[in-house]
Amino acid sequence: QITLKESGPTLVKPTQTLTLTCTFSGFSLSTSGVGVGWIRQPPGKALEWLALIYWDDDKRYSPSLKSRLTITKDTSKNQVVLTMTNMDPVDTATYYCAHNFLYVFDYWGQGTLVTVSS
Amino acid sequence: QSVLTQPPSASGTPGQRVTISCSGSSSNIGSNYVYWYQQLPGTAPKLLIYRNNQRPSGVPDRFSGSKSGTSASLAISGLRSEDEADYYCAAWDDSLSGPLYVFGTGTKVTVL
Repeated sequence: QITLKESGPTLVKPTQTLTLTCTFSGFSLSTSGVGVGWIRQPPGKALEWLALIYWDDDKRYSPSLKSRLTITKDTSKNQVVLTMTNMDPVDTATYYCAHNFLYVFDYWGQGTLVTVSS
Repeated sequence: QSVLTQPPSASGTPGQRVTISCSGSSSNIGSNYVYWYQQLPGTAPKLLIYRNNQRPSGVPDRFSGSKSGTSASLAISGLRSEDEADYYCAAWDDSLSGPLYVFGTGTKVTVL
């Protein structure tokens, strides 16, 4: 059974760096073809893909946010970490992590709401 | 910054068939698979259709997907009250900056 859960601060100040952790179970991020990605959704708005890290440490980023994002993995801890620098109120959103196998985001975490406000 | 365009809303009465369109371009839908997600109120998205028309285990066959050229469609037949949700299409996009995953603008389905 594959499960993922996001954790991190619920409130960050503008210009601060956000660090989110995705802790998962039911699969290994060392298995060929497997990846973990991050997707966000501002309140009342559409989904936006942010980043994806593969089993072989290949990383993909949304071009519009690439300069602000870093995704890393700790295979031994079954965790993936996303950092986003220079947070702004427009970055207020629910952030989801999701399991990816052969390019399909098939299992999602419950999401965590991050509010950016001073 | 959704790249794929969907109608904002769709509706139908119980038992009816509802179709949702998703319009893209040659760099995404035109050259890659289409995925569909269902997002019930207050919950995380759930994979509904993958690789244009494949259903994951547990998804009723009332849901079907199709693709033609740079557009795709999701059909819900035998509409039920529990189908009331937001639906998003998605696809990989072969951009000049490298592959990126793009979502549609989302369609809210209302069961009248």
